Amino acid sequence: QKEVEQDPGPLSVPEGAIVSLNCTYSNSAFQYFMWYRQYSRKGPELLMYTYSSGNKEDGRFTAQVDKSSKYISLFIRDSQPSDSATYLCAMKDTGGFKTIFGAGTRLFVKA
Amino acid sequence: DVKVTQSSRYLVKRTGEKVFLECVQDMDHENMFWYRQDPGLGLRLIYFSYDVKMKEKGDIPEGYSVSREKKERFSLILESASTNQTSMYLCASSYRDRDSPLHFGNGTRLTVT
Repeated sequence: QKEVEQDPGPLSVPEGAIVSLNCTYSNSAFQYFMWYRQYSRKGPELLMYTYSSGNKEDGRFTAQVDKSSKYISLFIRDSQPSDSATYLCAMKDTGGFKTIFGAGTRLFVKA
Repeated sequence: DVKVTQSSRYLVKRTGEKVFLECVQDMDHENMFWYRQDPGLGLRLIYFSYDVKMKEKGDIPEGYSVSREKKERFSLILESASTNQTSMYLCASSYRDRDSPLHFGNGTRLTVT
C-alpha cells in the first residue's frame, strides 16, 4: 500500500464548477501538507501549504486537512480553463527531509 | 521568487553513456533534491543534499550518483544510462528548516535509447 493515495483522474468539469481534489494517507506522523500544481511540460509549483489539521484559504483555493481521517482536500471555486493541470498532494513529517507525493490528479476545466 | 534552473529541458542519450543533469538555485537554499517522475508512480526521491559535499540516498538511488561542490549547484549523474532511466527528472530546493516546502525546476525529460 502506498503511503499517499490520490485518484489519477482525469477529472473533467465545466468552467465555473467547484472542484474537489482529495488524498488519503497512512502515516499518522505527517504534519505538513502541500498541494502543487503542475502544468504540462513544467515543474510542480507550490499552491497551498498547511500545518496539521484545519482549513486554509487563498483566493479561489481552499485546503482542508482532517488528520483524524488521514484525508486532505483541495477545493477550487469558480474553476477556470487556466486551472487545467495536474494537482499533486504532498506531505511530510516533522523529523525528516523527505516529502512524499501522491501520483497526481489530472484536471480539465472546459470553457 | 525562487528560481531553480535545470540546464536542459530535453536530452536524448544512448544506452551506456554517462549523463550529467545540472541544477542551480538562486535562493541560498541549504537543501537540494533530485526526483524522477513517471506516469502512475508520482515523484520518487533519488538523492538529496542538506549541505555542500553532503549527500543522502533517497528511495531509488541505484544507478545514480550526485555531486554538490557548491551550495547553489546539485548535479545528478547516471554512470551508465539504461532505457529504464528514461523519465522526467526534477530538481528541487528548500531552506534548512525541515518544514520548508520544496521549490522545483521545470524538469529535464531524458530519453535513453
